[in-house]
Amino acid sequence: DTGVSQNPRHKITKRGQNVTFRCDPISEHNRLYWYRQTLGQGPEFLTYFQNEAQLEKSRLLSDRFSAERPKGSFSTLEIQRTEQGDSAMYLCATRSTGLRPDTQYFGPGTRLTVL
Amino acid sequence: GESVGLHLPTLSVQEGDNSIINCAYSNSASDYFIWYKQESGKGPQFIIDIRSNMDKRQGQRVTVLLNKTVKHLSLQIAATQPGDSAVYFCAELPRGDDKIIFGKGTRLHILP
Repeated sequence: DTGVSQNPRHKITKRGQNVTFRCDPISEHNRLYWYRQTLGQGPEFLTYFQNEAQLEKSRLLSDRFSAERPKGSFSTLEIQRTEQGDSAMYLCATRSTGLRPDTQYFGPGTRLTVL
Repeated sequence: GESVGLHLPTLSVQEGDNSIINCAYSNSASDYFIWYKQESGKGPQFIIDIRSNMDKRQGQRVTVLLNKTVKHLSLQIAATQPGDSAVYFCAELPRGDDKIIFGKGTRLHILP
């Protein structure tokens, strides 16, 4: 257990529905990252925050995806009008900027299945 | 349990033997190279990293080798144990960047 928690762990939804995932970071970690992992692939970067500011978004993050970190602590990732191609594991990672830049601690992920 | 990857290259190793997992990377400007272990149903777990100015780094039972000439990274696990069964990913962190770029994974299967 890295100390990063994600909820829910599994989500099954029907195409067209909206879903929201939550990530709770290690408390002193000011950077928070979202990645997506499809079966057979390594995780791919989606977006990251420093405190409450969203600093970078990948081209993978379509306009149906939105991420927030309103108080600089937990973060949410919302997918609107889900599509079957959104089925994946959504991983959250966090780090403190006082640590080496490659020191990102990953949560257990939320597995999304879109029917 | 759920599978991290269904169509990954698989390395089968006898328990107690050494394992060597290889990876080719693409970005010459990467500052850090990292190996992660991912067990079924879990997120990637940091194993060891190496900076671009190094050739070799050792940890507990693991060694990472970096060959910048041919852009090759390897992970050696000594005396492989059943608990080492997992998918292993190499990854890189480009200089000045903050997002980790993951390579293809390799499934390590331990034979009894």
